[in-house]
Amino acid sequence: ETGVTQSPTHLIKTRGQQVTLRCSSQSGHNTVSWYQQALGQGPQFIFQYYREEENGRGNFPPRFSGLQFPNYSSELNVNALELDDSALYLCASSQGGVTGETQYFGPGTRLLVL
Amino acid sequence: AQSVTQPDIHITVSEGASLELRCNYSYGATPYLFWYVQSPGQGLQLLLKYFSGDTLVQGIKGFEAEFKRSQSSFNLRKPSVHWSDAAEYFCAVGAMNQAGTALIFGKGTTLSVSS
Repeated sequence: ETGVTQSPTHLIKTRGQQVTLRCSSQSGHNTVSWYQQALGQGPQFIFQYYREEENGRGNFPPRFSGLQFPNYSSELNVNALELDDSALYLCASSQGGVTGETQYFGPGTRLLVL
Repeated sequence: AQSVTQPDIHITVSEGASLELRCNYSYGATPYLFWYVQSPGQGLQLLLKYFSGDTLVQGIKGFEAEFKRSQSSFNLRKPSVHWSDAAEYFCAVGAMNQAGTALIFGKGTTLSVSS
């Protein structure tokens, strides 16, 4: 069974640029959630995709957007990057539609915005 | 609003000693509670979870947690700490949305283990 994978592992961008982060969900999972973890903080929920539809969103501006594909992999796009977007971005997959389902996390993508 | 508080930012425990990490939550309904561990440069690994039933939950690596509704707490315990337990520990509550759960995390507790 393949776990959750994310790419790239690290990247550096400059303020104002756009970035796309990718996540492959665990086999059998149809839900992907994205979290932002700033240095020294707990992860914060960005949004969740269930069967290719956005299913809940945290307190993040519209320049954070996402997509889920028919194979349930997902992308997180961030436009007009700001310095405060520097963080570890975590993707988690789960079997959605199940009350209190367990989310399995990938290793994350570390983004640095200069 | 839902929230999770982990009062201890950093704890140091001697190897072989017992451990308790505190977690308090605020949630309007019956909570779904989780403890995750994060090693440096790694993602989050689930230690244990509570949904209902027995309030004492057993997890991996010898960890357990006790749900106390009256105290809104879900403290993590381990009877004997190993040096490999040094990591960041996060408590989370699951907030239900239309078809799944969004996790709300505390700020974490860093565990150091001294020899």
